[in-house]
Amino acid sequence: DVKVTQSSRYLVKRTGEKVFLECVQDMDHENMFWYRQDPGLGLRLIYFSYDVKMKEKGDIPEGYSVSREKKERFSLILESASTNQTSMYLCASSLLGRGAEAFFGQGTRLTVV
Amino acid sequence: EDQVTQSPEALRLQEGESSSLNCSYTVSGLRGLFWYRQDPGKGPEFLFTLYSAGEEKEKERLKATLTKKESFLHITAPKPEDSATYLCAVQESGTASKLTFGTGTRLQVTL
Repeated sequence: DVKVTQSSRYLVKRTGEKVFLECVQDMDHENMFWYRQDPGLGLRLIYFSYDVKMKEKGDIPEGYSVSREKKERFSLILESASTNQTSMYLCASSLLGRGAEAFFGQGTRLTVV
Repeated sequence: EDQVTQSPEALRLQEGESSSLNCSYTVSGLRGLFWYRQDPGKGPEFLFTLYSAGEEKEKERLKATLTKKESFLHITAPKPEDSATYLCAVQESGTASKLTFGTGTRLQVTL
């Protein structure tokens, strides 16, 4: 069974903290993605990566960075957390190529206080 | 810029009452259109990929269809366990594997 695992289901962090969200996939997928999901706004792409050490900005990269040192692991970093980054964060992975479906993790509900 | 619009925002059906969800899209070249199901507090679960106008796919009570401007997710004789948010996403040509999502349709099926 395919699996995308996010390190935490729930996180509470203070404003200004550096936050790491970790994601691991066991499907040997080339692509990995970080989305955030907010009511009324849907899923918005923050960053994605199509290879180790490669990264591309999505639609809302401000305030975030990413790291992909190994193929199976993709980390999202909030350099200095702010309350407007309170959200559900979803990691996904897919094969390269046309129409390859993305498999999602269970999500991390991050609250910044 | 890609645009994906889903309607209605919310839909309440009685068990057995068939209906359709709509996904309208604007892309310069469609590489694929995806349907996902999302249960509360969980990540989206893949349902279908459609590639070209006229294509149809079925899975149990769900059937997805595609035209050049929109896709429909038909739900036949729904059951309460079909209650979820249904998300549509498009992959545009030349954008690697990036998906652009709509905001979803929240479906509730009652007894």
